[in-house]
Amino acid sequence: QKEVEQNSGPLSVPEGAIASLNCTYSDRGSQSFFWYRQYSGKSPELIMSIYSNGDKEDGRFTAQLNKASKYVSLLIRDSQPSDSATYLCAVNIPRGSTLGRLYFGRGTQLTVWP
Amino acid sequence: DAGVIQSTRHEVTEMGQEVTLRCKPISGHDYLFWYRQTMMRGLELLIYFNNNVPIDDSGMPEDRFSAKMPNASFSTLKIQPSEPRDSAVYFCASADSSYNEQFFGPGTRLTVL
Repeated sequence: QKEVEQNSGPLSVPEGAIASLNCTYSDRGSQSFFWYRQYSGKSPELIMSIYSNGDKEDGRFTAQLNKASKYVSLLIRDSQPSDSATYLCAVNIPRGSTLGRLYFGRGTQLTVWP
Repeated sequence: DAGVIQSTRHEVTEMGQEVTLRCKPISGHDYLFWYRQTMMRGLELLIYFNNNVPIDDSGMPEDRFSAKMPNASFSTLKIQPSEPRDSAVYFCASADSSYNEQFFGPGTRLTVL
């Protein structure tokens, strides 16, 4: 069973719409959750982190976490063509006293068309 | 502040040759991660270090791969001998345990002919 799964996409939305990206994970020990954006040919860039249940907003981005359902999502409001990228969900599982590693989903490719 | 540095953006080599990829983490970060990304397998963790000590190398595909971190500001990933199936983008990332957020370098695109 994969540790992190994302809606496979690709996802295509018109400019100005809300893009909804979803992610589920398998390990209830997961404590930290991240969304990375990766433009084609570039490295992943951290855009959101969330650690507790509920919503976290940062500009046009809102991350939502539900640990009981093992579900994390990213909403992008007022989507812009510049948001077109692959979005990677990542989940941290601590390892003893160390930080542990991130488990990445395969990513969802988002296209925002003008 | 300088980010994670991977000075070699593209590396082309021939099958059987030794390849060494280099990384300089963000100053003050105590975790360093090596990833490989391909279309087929996505982003895979190869190995990670904490305070220069390897913590988990279960993602290293086989004995041809080795990684070292001789000090807090430098790490290498070596492939010997290289094979065409090693062609991928290799990313280095670092993290500060206080914030638990990883920052990626620009990556090295490796092509093995």
